[in-house]
Amino acid sequence: GAVVSQHPSRVICKSGTSVKIECRSLDFQATTMFWYRQFPKKSLMLMATSNEGSKATYEQGVEKDKFLINHASLTLSTLTVTSAHPEDSSFYICSARTSPGAGELFFGEGSRLTVL
Amino acid sequence: AQSVAQPEDQVNVAEGNPLTVKCTYSVSGNPYLFWYVQYPNRGLQFLLKYITGDNLVKGSYGFEAEFNKSQTSFHLKKPSALVSDSALYFCAVRPFGNQFYFGTGTSLTVIP
Repeated sequence: GAVVSQHPSRVICKSGTSVKIECRSLDFQATTMFWYRQFPKKSLMLMATSNEGSKATYEQGVEKDKFLINHASLTLSTLTVTSAHPEDSSFYICSARTSPGAGELFFGEGSRLTVL
Repeated sequence: AQSVAQPEDQVNVAEGNPLTVKCTYSVSGNPYLFWYVQYPNRGLQFLLKYITGDNLVKGSYGFEAEFNKSQTSFHLKKPSALVSDSALYFCAVRPFGNQFYFGTGTSLTVIP
């Protein structure tokens, strides 16, 4: 299957700092990527849909000024958690599809963010 | 509203026994259906999908799923469970367009 790479896999930061997470499609071009947040033993919560060359579409309740998404190329989307607080600690996962048709989502390995 | 239900938070099965992880959905139209598996601190891995055709879909690692349109179900099955199958399983549907809807996940434990 297609490969989506996510980096870093783990990050610890101090409260008030910003953290950037990268999501790359390694062997295909992704015009659309998706960012999810997963709480312990819980399902995935879609945060936003990242569109190459345009603004991301955020789900209701997700603060767009806190979770900045940039999709500058067909293979790279970034999520920046700004002014992070302990409640932002979570597992963040990105995903992408190889084709807009019946294509399944391919997921990155996830990034564990811990805010102290 | 679109929704996906995985009625069991936890499924325990003895190694070698058949396993079933249940999924039902309520979406408009004829959705595409998917199963994913997640190991601890990892992303989701694609197992299989149903688009059209034969109701029994075969996927990775010996898993299969049966689509039942009248019951709007897409249960995941495996004839003989392995300890290494222990993981979190997610059902997902995509009615049309970009949006995927995920179930809440079922934790499968295969007991040696």
